[in-house]
Amino acid sequence: SQQGEEDPQALSIQEGENATMNCSYKTSINNLQWYRQNSGRGLVHLILIRSNEREKHSGRLRVTLDTSKKSSSLLITASRAADTASYFCATSGSNYQLIWGAGTKLIIKP
Amino acid sequence: GAVVSQHPSWVICKSGTSVKIECRSLDFQATTMFWYRQFPKQSLMLMATSNEGSKATYEQGVEKDKFLINHASLTLSTLTVTSAHPEDSSFYICSAYGQWGDDEQFFGPGTRLTVL
Repeated sequence: SQQGEEDPQALSIQEGENATMNCSYKTSINNLQWYRQNSGRGLVHLILIRSNEREKHSGRLRVTLDTSKKSSSLLITASRAADTASYFCATSGSNYQLIWGAGTKLIIKP
Repeated sequence: GAVVSQHPSWVICKSGTSVKIECRSLDFQATTMFWYRQFPKQSLMLMATSNEGSKATYEQGVEKDKFLINHASLTLSTLTVTSAHPEDSSFYICSAYGQWGDDEQFFGPGTRLTVL
C-alpha cells in the first residue's frame, strides 16, 4: 500500500550539487525511513527518523520531519555519480507495516 | 548490521510451474517477515505479513492460494508462486523485523521472477 506522494518524481542534477527530495504522508506515524534502490537491486536503508525528532544527519544525508505538515525531506549534499538511484520514503505506524511513497528517481550527471 | 538473504537471486520458469523463493535472516531471529513485489519503475507493494508459527496475513487483492507463504522457523520464510503466469513476473523482496524491538526492517536483495 502507498502512503502518499514523493516529489519530484525524477530529478537530475550536476555532480557536486545538493539534491532535495520530499515525502508527504497521510496517517500518524511512529517513524519515517528513507531507502535507496539502485536499478534492479535491493533496498538500502539510509536513515530512520522518529516522530518526536525534527532533524537527523548521517554523513552527507540530512532528513527533516514535520509531523504537523505530515512531510519529510531528504537532502543529499555534495552529490556524487554513485548517488544515482531511486529514493523511497516509508512510514511505520503501530502495526510495524511500512507504507511506501512512490519514489524519486535521482540522476547525478558527472 | 542484520543480514537478510534471498534465494534464488533470479529465476526464469515456464508458465504453469511453481516457484519457491526463500527469505532467510542470517544472524538474527525474525519473528515477523514481510513480502513485497515491485514492478518496474514502481514502488514496493506489500503482499503479506508473515509471522513465525502462524498463518500469513495477506493484503487486499493478493490471492492466498496463488502466493503461499510459510514461516516455519524464526530464520526462514518462503513464498511459493503457484502455477505461475507471465503476469506474475516481478521483483519480489522480503524484509524482516529483528528481535530487538526496534523499528528498523532489514531487506533481502530481492528475487527477480520471469515467467515465460
